[in-house]
Amino acid sequence: NAGVTQTPKFQVLKTGQSMTLQCAQDMNHNSMYWYRQDPGMGLRLIYYSASEGTTDKGEVPNGYNVSRLNKREFSLRLESAAPSQTSVYFCASSDLLVYNEQFFGPGTRLTVL
Amino acid sequence: SQQGEEDPQALSIQEGENATMNCSYKTSINNLQWYRQNSGRGLVHLILIRSNEREKHSGRLRVTLDTSKKSSSLLITASRAADTASYFCATANQAGTALIFGKGTTLSVSS
Repeated sequence: NAGVTQTPKFQVLKTGQSMTLQCAQDMNHNSMYWYRQDPGMGLRLIYYSASEGTTDKGEVPNGYNVSRLNKREFSLRLESAAPSQTSVYFCASSDLLVYNEQFFGPGTRLTVL
Repeated sequence: SQQGEEDPQALSIQEGENATMNCSYKTSINNLQWYRQNSGRGLVHLILIRSNEREKHSGRLRVTLDTSKKSSSLLITASRAADTASYFCATANQAGTALIFGKGTTLSVSS
């Protein structure tokens, strides 16, 4: 099992460009999450999907959109990237929301110039 | 806003010593989880303690939970250089739909 995979690992964008971060899990988990991690800020929840077909905003959703394509895949889209979105992005999945451990992907390091 | 806050922010110890880090949270919880993050990697789940438990062990890890004080502690005994990492506590948001992580404690273990 690969667990949680994320692509790409690194990305550099110019201000105003768009891109989609991909995430997939092979553990048959119901819930998936997108976080961003900035120095000194810990992890902050961007969006989550409690189950296939549902998505909800987290703590810092502005500037992002998500799609739960199917049970395995949960993508994060930046429509018009801004320097403030320079961060490391982590995808995670869990079997049952907050009642079980979350499994994390290796992260995507994004720089917006 | 952060639900859990770790203390201290940074901790430096020698191999063989014990490391203790603390987590305080604000609202009632169903469980509290601890995660480890090695530099440049994703988070890895260490241990989950439920609200009706007071102490839990896993190998060299010991976690305590005091719901009356809304606090938890993570003790790593006989630390090794490989324990060098950041450690995060996590609790549920008020809706019970997602985990909220603290800012973490950075542990450095030198040999």
